[in-house]
Amino acid sequence: DAGITQSPRHKVTETGTPVTLRCHQTENHRYMYWYRQDPGHGLRLIHYSYGVKDTDKGEVSDGYSVSRSKTEDFLLTLESATSSQTSVYFCAISGRQLEAFFGQGTRLTVV
Amino acid sequence: QQPVQSPQAVILREGEDAVINCSSSKALYSVHWYRQKHGEAPVFLMILLKGGEQKGHDKISASFNEKKQQSSLYLTASQLSYSGTYFCGTEGTNRDDKIIFGKGTRLHILP
Repeated sequence: DAGITQSPRHKVTETGTPVTLRCHQTENHRYMYWYRQDPGHGLRLIHYSYGVKDTDKGEVSDGYSVSRSKTEDFLLTLESATSSQTSVYFCAISGRQLEAFFGQGTRLTVV
Repeated sequence: QQPVQSPQAVILREGEDAVINCSSSKALYSVHWYRQKHGEAPVFLMILLKGGEQKGHDKISASFNEKKQQSSLYLTASQLSYSGTYFCGTEGTNRDDKIIFGKGTRLHILP
């Protein structure tokens, strides 16, 4: 299995609080992605990174920010969580032209 | 600019064949296919590159029509283990390195 770990795996938080999700890889892959998965929407790209400190927005980036200070870590931050951000979040890693490996997901509930 | 998958859902009996289609409105560099079981992370099946050949693995194969920006996934003599949701992911030719996924196709195999 590809070395990719997400933490936490489950989180319940209150509306308006900041939340940070962590994705850690041991594969030294250049590309890292954050997706959210909601029923009827499939996997939607939030942000992605193509190198240390190189990030870009995806389809649904509003309300989210990311940081990548090291190759192995890609952090997703919800500055002020809202109920619409309740979702399952997946991190993925890939090398160029290679398959993407997904983490096990983080189930986030905003109450 | 999510790729469009069809059908949305398929119910088959074990041993029957299925075809899942993926269509994009933009020129593509590659198409990825993944399968996700309920409660699990998506798992890579195969990737097709522009100018590449049709891929196959066991009884699952795929094609990529670059001119039409379309890909199809073929499942032959389906097995119970093929049940799940199938996602196609696309990368554009501008080499912006992001993978955009469709909404998925739910496949249910009956014994």
